Amino acid sequence: QQQVKQSPQSLIVQKGGIPIINCAYENTAFDYFPWYQQFPGKGPALLIAIRPDVSEKKEGRFTISFNKSAKQFSLHIMDSQPGDSATYFCAASNYDSTLGRLYFGRGTQLTVWP
Amino acid sequence: DAGVIQSPRHEVTEMGQEVTLRCKPISGHNSLFWYRQTMMRGLELLIYFNNNVPIDDSGMPEDRFSAKMPNASFSTLKIQPSEPRDSAVYFCASRKGPDNSPLHFGNGTRLTVT
Repeated sequence: QQQVKQSPQSLIVQKGGIPIINCAYENTAFDYFPWYQQFPGKGPALLIAIRPDVSEKKEGRFTISFNKSAKQFSLHIMDSQPGDSATYFCAASNYDSTLGRLYFGRGTQLTVWP
Repeated sequence: DAGVIQSPRHEVTEMGQEVTLRCKPISGHNSLFWYRQTMMRGLELLIYFNNNVPIDDSGMPEDRFSAKMPNASFSTLKIQPSEPRDSAVYFCASRKGPDNSPLHFGNGTRLTVT
């Protein structure tokens, strides 16, 4: 059973476009939602994370939007660049758990054309 | 900080052979995770350890898979006997502290079983 559902599976945009990746979850105990970025041949790395006490978090060109009532969150990449081409994973967990685990979405392969 | 170190980077073996993947977590990190990544299933958590103790091995696909963490600086994932469907990229990740701290991934081991 997939705890976190992610879409789309792949996404192609032109340079300067705003790709949006969406995730949904069911477990209301989740209260920490990170996004990881993975380049070919590398492991995923933390990009940005949000907790449900805010509806939006922005770091540089990356923004997470969070809708607690809908149990959905999304990643927006402003002014996308070819260097943003990577696989993006959303995830969810219980923030205060010391023995907890991250539940990852299936990933979105983003391609930004120059 | 050398990051999480995995070896080997690539492993090609024949069906039926034993395969051992190795991981050295970041010093001071007390949780270690083994993931498997495939196109079909995305990132799957196989097992994770906290303070060298296995916490959840429900993701280990079969008895052919086993993992150990004899000390805080080393872990192994063993597949015996290997099968072609085990072909995937295997990632080790470590984390310091509770669930809200970032997971640090190694660069993975690409396993091909022929």
